[in-house]
Amino acid sequence: QKEVEQDPGPLSVPEGAIVSLNCTYSNSAFQYFMWYRQYSRKGPELLMYTYSSGNKEDGRFTAQVDKSSKYISLFIRDSQPSDSATYLCAMSADASKIIFGSGTRLSIRP
Amino acid sequence: EAGVVQSPRYKIIEKKQPVAFWCNPISGHNTLYWYLQNLGQGPELLIRYENEEAVDDSQLPKDRFSAERLKGVDSTLKIQPAELGDSAVYLCASSRLAGYGHTQYFGPGTRLTVL
Repeated sequence: QKEVEQDPGPLSVPEGAIVSLNCTYSNSAFQYFMWYRQYSRKGPELLMYTYSSGNKEDGRFTAQVDKSSKYISLFIRDSQPSDSATYLCAMSADASKIIFGSGTRLSIRP
Repeated sequence: EAGVVQSPRYKIIEKKQPVAFWCNPISGHNTLYWYLQNLGQGPELLIRYENEEAVDDSQLPKDRFSAERLKGVDSTLKIQPAELGDSAVYLCASSRLAGYGHTQYFGPGTRLTVL
C-alpha cells in the first residue's frame, strides 16, 4: 500500500464548476500538507501549504485537512480552462522530505 | 528572479550508454533536490543536498546513479549504464532551506528516453 493515495482521474468538468480533489494517506506522522499544480511538460508548482488540520483559503482555492480521517482535499471554485493541469497532493512529517501522490488530471471544458 | 534551470530538456540514448543531467538552482538556495517522475506518477526523491553535502541519498540507486554538487551551487546527476527502466522525467528543485515554510521550486525537468 502506498503512503499517499490519489485518484488519477481524468476528471473533466465544465467551466465555472466547483472541483473537488482528494487524497488519503496512511502515515499518521504527516503534519505538513501541500497541493502542487503541474502543467504538461513543466515542473510542479506549489499551490497551497497547510500545517496540521483545518482549512486554508487562497482566492478560488481552499485546502482542507482532516487528520483524524487521514484525508485531505482541494476545492477549486469558479473553475477556469487555465486550471486544466495535473494536481499533486504532497505531505511530509518534517517538512523536508515530501511524499507525493500520483496526481489527478483535471480538464476544464469551456 | 530566474527559476531553476535544467539541461538538456530532452535526451534519447541507447541502453548501456551513460547520461548526465545538469541543474542550476535559484540563486541563494542552499538546498537542492533531484526527483524522478515516471509517467502518471508523482515525483520521488532521489537525493537532497544541503550546500555540498548529500544529506539524504537513501533512494538513489548507487550501483548506477551518482550525483555531485560541487561548490554548493550547480549539480549533476549521472546514470551509468542506463537501463530501459530509467526512462522518465528527472526533476531538479531547490529551496532556501529545508523545512517548514521553505517552498521547493521545481525546474522543467529532463525527459530521458532509453532505447
